Amino acid sequence: DIVMTQSPLSLPVTPGEPASISCRSSQSLLHNNGYNYVDWYLQKPGQSPQLLIYMGSHRASGVPDRFSGGGSGTDFTLKISRVEAEDVGVYYCMQPLQTPWTFGQGTTVDIK
Amino acid sequence: QVHLQESGPGLVQPSETLSLICTVSGGSFSGYFWSWIRQSPGRGLEWLGNIDYSGGGTNYNPSLESRVTISVDTSKSQFYLTLTSVTAADTAVYYCARSFERGLFDSWGQGTLVSVSS
Repeated sequence: DIVMTQSPLSLPVTPGEPASISCRSSQSLLHNNGYNYVDWYLQKPGQSPQLLIYMGSHRASGVPDRFSGGGSGTDFTLKISRVEAEDVGVYYCMQPLQTPWTFGQGTTVDIK
Repeated sequence: QVHLQESGPGLVQPSETLSLICTVSGGSFSGYFWSWIRQSPGRGLEWLGNIDYSGGGTNYNPSLESRVTISVDTSKSQFYLTLTSVTAADTAVYYCARSFERGLFDSWGQGTLVSVSS
């Protein structure tokens, strides 16, 4: 199985400041079609996960442009340019390149 | 706007079979892949498997060995999870979700808690 490792696991943030989460995969997620197969999800308290980013860097419909995804191969990053209070929750990366699809452990983002 | 809703018993006896239904409304069933995902404190988010919209293809997580089956009834816009020989380790919130062939879960159910206990 492809192991997804996130860091940090806990990230206290200040509203208005940037934030960054790292996700490293045990195998390359770069497909021969040129796309990196990693998704990012946010699970807000008491809710189901919601899609933020797919294929490494594509924002899902309705996702604010303060969220961006990047990276290639085995190293990926989710960035929030200016954190807002509504961004608190647990962030997960996931790889759908190879079954079984696997998730990272999650990064809990809360307000300082 | 597509809506997914899980249903099924909230309590299952050890060694028995867990059965859940996901009902899809407000959107097309065709052209997508339909997954079951569970979440527990000890195991985080775990993808159990998926089925394509026609029911012609399934993928399962090998960690569940041969205990898991996912099926679909397109006439009812429903898909199903069956997990046999459950133990306390199968206690989790179970989600159904819609995706494309390679990830991109764009719609999730609200989740249903299933406890395995006598």
